[in-house]
Amino acid sequence: NAGVMQNPRHLVRRRGQEARLRCSPMKGHSHVYWYRQLPEEGLKFMVYLQKENIIDESGMPKERFSAEFPKEGPSILRIQQVVRGDSAAYFCASSPSELGALNTEAFFGQGTRLTVV
Amino acid sequence: AQTVTQSQPEMSVQEAETVTLSCTYDTSENNYYLFWYKQPPSRQMILVIRQEAYKQQNATENRFSVNFQKAAKSFSLKISDSQLGDTAMYFCAFTTFYNQGGKLIFGQGTELSVKP
Repeated sequence: NAGVMQNPRHLVRRRGQEARLRCSPMKGHSHVYWYRQLPEEGLKFMVYLQKENIIDESGMPKERFSAEFPKEGPSILRIQQVVRGDSAAYFCASSPSELGALNTEAFFGQGTRLTVV
Repeated sequence: AQTVTQSQPEMSVQEAETVTLSCTYDTSENNYYLFWYKQPPSRQMILVIRQEAYKQQNATENRFSVNFQKAAKSFSLKISDSQLGDTAMYFCAFTTFYNQGGKLIFGQGTELSVKP
């Protein structure tokens, strides 16, 4: 059972370009969470999705950022017109049910390091 | 607002000795989970230990144990017999039951160095 797969591991974009980050959850997991880690900081929640639905996007900037988790395929975090401040590590986590349910654990991917030049 | 605070940005310990990492949190909820995650240089987030708030007994996982003080809202991690492979960033995290969708709230992290 492969773990949470994120790609690419490293992504370099020029200011104004679009960044697409992909996350394939573990097999059987239908809950996906995206987090952002700025240098020297902890992870900050961005968005929580279940298949085809956004459940909580309270941590995601209102502009330029969007996320989806289609019925088929990976979850995508999309950043339009990137700026230098978007440079960070973006982590995806998946769980088989809502985290907080008994014995549920979130499994993390290795992250995508986005650098905006 | 719910917050997690780790007041020790950096710590070091000699190999084979014991070290304790501090974490405090703030919430008005009564039911929640607490976690310690390890992030080595590879950046992979690895779950070290978890504690359910309704359990009074402190969780243990081999060399890792916690001191959970619910009234004080404190959740420290003790690493016994420290090993070089324990060198990493350690993050304390928190989530409530159901009503927040399970999002984790992380502290700022403590960078632990284990010295030979």
